Amino acid sequence: DTAVSQTPKYLVTQMGNDKSIKCEQNLGHDTMYWYKQDSKKFLKIMFSYNNKELIINETVPNRFSPKSPDKAHLNLHINSLELGDSAVYFCASSQGGSGRVTGELFFGEGSRLTVL
Amino acid sequence: DAKTTQPTSMDCAEGRAANLPCNHSTISGNEYVYWYRQIHSQGPQYIIHGLKNNETNEMASLIITEDRKSSTLILPHATLRDTAVYYCIVRASNTGNQFYFGTGTSLTVIP
Repeated sequence: DTAVSQTPKYLVTQMGNDKSIKCEQNLGHDTMYWYKQDSKKFLKIMFSYNNKELIINETVPNRFSPKSPDKAHLNLHINSLELGDSAVYFCASSQGGSGRVTGELFFGEGSRLTVL
Repeated sequence: DAKTTQPTSMDCAEGRAANLPCNHSTISGNEYVYWYRQIHSQGPQYIIHGLKNNETNEMASLIITEDRKSSTLILPHATLRDTAVYYCIVRASNTGNQFYFGTGTSLTVIP
């Protein structure tokens, strides 16, 4: 079983469309994240959810809306896609919320979004 | 937001030890040093982390200087599969779970 799984792995779409990327973790972790890796390979945190509550939102346009229906899922919905949204999006999870040291982030394999 | 400095790239001969340095001269007392790596087209993978003492696990060793201003990740016997980008991250224990990735070191293991 894949610990952190994302779908779809590849997504090609037109500017202006709305798309979602789903993430599920089966590790029993209470904290999940979305990271964006652009063409220059910079890996930047976008959001962090702890027990379904948003704890980090790093200057991400409000076209991006994360949704966490439960601790095991954190989906990313993107409205009105722009060319600059093309990137690889990584989901991750860890155990431990704010104020606690966690040993590691577990990452998914990434979802490559291409906006034409 | 990355508080670390790493060389952009390094080469290492297969079978030899790979020593990857990281400077974190502004590290605070409550900040840990973490190492992750990203093999091409895959998600980043945790390697090791430490606070003050040297650490070793099945993947690598982490050597932290006494003043904690720098550290070295050691892969004792590098293989071709260790070719990846290695990220050194400092993270405080009381600021939630933000891991800020810098540019990392691109390690190439040469046959």
